[in-house]
Amino acid sequence: GDSVTQTEGPVTVSESESLIINCTYSATSIAYPNLFWYVRYPGEGLQLLLKVITAGQKGSSRGFEATYNKETTSFHLQKASVQESDSAVYYCALGGITGNTGKLIFGLGTTLQVQP
Amino acid sequence: DPKIIQKPKYLVAVTGSEKILICEQYLGHNAMYWYRQSAKKPLEFMFSYSYQKLMDNQTASSRFQPQSSKKNHLDLQITALKPDDSATYFCASSQEDWTAEQFFGPGTRLTVL
Repeated sequence: GDSVTQTEGPVTVSESESLIINCTYSATSIAYPNLFWYVRYPGEGLQLLLKVITAGQKGSSRGFEATYNKETTSFHLQKASVQESDSAVYYCALGGITGNTGKLIFGLGTTLQVQP
Repeated sequence: DPKIIQKPKYLVAVTGSEKILICEQYLGHNAMYWYRQSAKKPLEFMFSYSYQKLMDNQTASSRFQPQSSKKNHLDLQITALKPDDSATYFCASSQEDWTAEQFFGPGTRLTVL
């Protein structure tokens, strides 16, 4: 079936270090799903960080980037230099499946702790 | 002002009872959704509605029934509650473009004793 696997957390990095959170997906019902990264900051609701709907393209937001790689079925989230305010839970998600009904399939989430 | 309101924030129920989770969105969206997150499990899609019509139902049980009385409301009625129903239930909404960003509410944490 369709699924998302992402880096198991918590991930702890120091401020100004680089970050990569891995995300791989399995999409059996559609060849090219839509890919999303959502984020939940402490005390806030889940919100979209970035999305890419075309294979081979890169999405970016708030210094984060992710490239849709259809060969490796991956959508890893990267940032060159993290800040303490990036501490949050990050969710990779798969969409555009099951006849386009808005259904999103989420990974378990990766907790990122950035130390000052 | 909150754009998606979910009520109540916390809910405790006894096994076998019935509860209704309320969701209202003030974003002008035509599509609304319910998701559920149980402990140590990923956020799980339950339903999607578009223009108050059911688009997708991924719940195996008829005990879960969405109710859309108004365009910006999508409540969730749960009957014959079981301890396994304990989870946080999230309502979301979006434009009716299935690649569009979904905006999530703060959730209702349900505990069934």
